[in-house]
Amino acid sequence: GAVVSQHPSWVICKSGTSVKIECRSLDFQATTMFWYRQFPKQSLMLMATSNEGSKATYEQGVEKDKFLINHASLTLSTLTVTSAHPEDSSFYICSARDQAAGNYGYTFGSGTRLTVV
Amino acid sequence: GEDVEQSLFLSVREGDSSVINCTYTDSSSTYLYWYKQEPGAGLQLLTYIFSNMDMKQDQRLTVLLNKKDKHLSLRIADTQTGDSAIYFCAETIYSSASKIIFGSGTRLSIRP
Repeated sequence: GAVVSQHPSWVICKSGTSVKIECRSLDFQATTMFWYRQFPKQSLMLMATSNEGSKATYEQGVEKDKFLINHASLTLSTLTVTSAHPEDSSFYICSARDQAAGNYGYTFGSGTRLTVV
Repeated sequence: GEDVEQSLFLSVREGDSSVINCTYTDSSSTYLYWYKQEPGAGLQLLTYIFSNMDMKQDQRLTVLLNKKDKHLSLRIADTQTGDSAIYFCAETIYSSASKIIFGSGTRLSIRP
C-alpha cells in the first residue's frame, strides 16, 4: 500500500533556530500534501495544503512566513519552522493524497515531535 | 462551516462492543473516515464511507451514516485491549480543495 515517510521523527532545537521536516511519498506521486499540527490530547489542525509546483495554501491564522512549505517534486514536501520558539513545540503530521487511490488515498506520515528549548 | 464533533472519552469492558459517535455540519461532505491513532504515532485509516451510503461493515468494524442528521458512528465488536487508542472522525469536502477536517478524537480505553 501507499507509504508516506516523514523525517525526522523527533527533533529538539534551540529557540531562534529553524527546523526542516520532510514528507515523502515512497511509492506514489502526490500532487497535494497536507501539513497538520497536533497539540497534546487534541485533534489535528490543518496548517496548509502543499501543492506541487505552486505556492502552498495556508489556513486562517497560520503564519506563512513562519511555516515555510516547499513542494518541489511529486514525492517531496518540506515544512520549515523558522525562528522556532517554545510555543511551536508540537507534533507535526503530514499527509499525502494518492490520486490513483481515490478518496480514501490519504496516507499519513508517522509524525515529527518538535521540542523547542 | 466545517465542524466535526466527537465525545472525548469512551470506556468499555473487554469483549463488549464500542460505539464511537461523530456529528458533522457540512452537508457537502463527500467521504467520511475513521482513523486510529496510537500514542506517539501517525494516523491509520480504519475505514471510510461515501456520503450516499448508509452502512459499511469490515470485519469487527461497522460504520453507520445518518446523512439527514449528519451523524456518523463506528462500532467495534468484541473490543480488545489492542483497540485502545484515539479514534478520529474526519470528512473531506470537495468545495475546500479536498482537505480532510478532523474531529477532536475519542480516547477509547478498555477495562478488563
